[in-house]
Amino acid sequence: RKEVEQDPGPFNVPEGATVAFNCTYSNSASQSFFWYRQDCRKEPKLLMSVYSSGNEDGRFTAQLNRASQYISLLIRDSKLSDSATYLCVVNAIRGDTGRRALTFGSGTRLQVQP
Amino acid sequence: DAGITQSPRHKVTETGTPVTLRCHQTENHRYMYWYRQDPGHGLRLIHYSYGVKDTDKGEVSDGYSVSRSKTEDFLLTLESATSSQTSVYFCAISEPLSGRDNEQFFGPGTRLTVL
Repeated sequence: RKEVEQDPGPFNVPEGATVAFNCTYSNSASQSFFWYRQDCRKEPKLLMSVYSSGNEDGRFTAQLNRASQYISLLIRDSKLSDSATYLCVVNAIRGDTGRRALTFGSGTRLQVQP
Repeated sequence: DAGITQSPRHKVTETGTPVTLRCHQTENHRYMYWYRQDPGHGLRLIHYSYGVKDTDKGEVSDGYSVSRSKTEDFLLTLESATSSQTSVYFCAISEPLSGRDNEQFFGPGTRLTVL
């Protein structure tokens, strides 16, 4: 089982639609959670952190459910420029050193259509 | 954008040849990482470094070695390239003292093809 699982999509939605992505993680000791955005053939970039109380940044809302080990991202009023792959990311312990490192999901592809 | 460059940006090589990829940063960030990205697998950590001469293995380190002799440079070496190492390689940096050590900034990537 992958440590971080996402529906690969693609999600094809019309402009103005609301779309939600979900992500589950297996390591209950994960401490930090994030959504990154990756455009086609480009590097990933941080979209937003995910806090236990839920957080909002403009049209984007992220939520965390630690009991269910579940993270979500909601995008309202979708724009053409939102078309990208959205990566769910958790920070967990790796290796014998006990150091933390990020684990990335495979991503969910969003295509917003005119 | 964070000052991270990767070289080369594209490379085609043959099985069995050694390959070195370079990541260079001008941000003076302490932490550096090498990932590979393949369809269906997402980004997977190869090696990382928490400072000069301080490196550790990630989840897919077999067949790769790294070196960090200066803060600004992190080298990834494939001692004897195999076709399974055909991938896109991303370097990333982060700075723990910024208070946002979880935020990683990525380089533009290197597309490596091993024939």
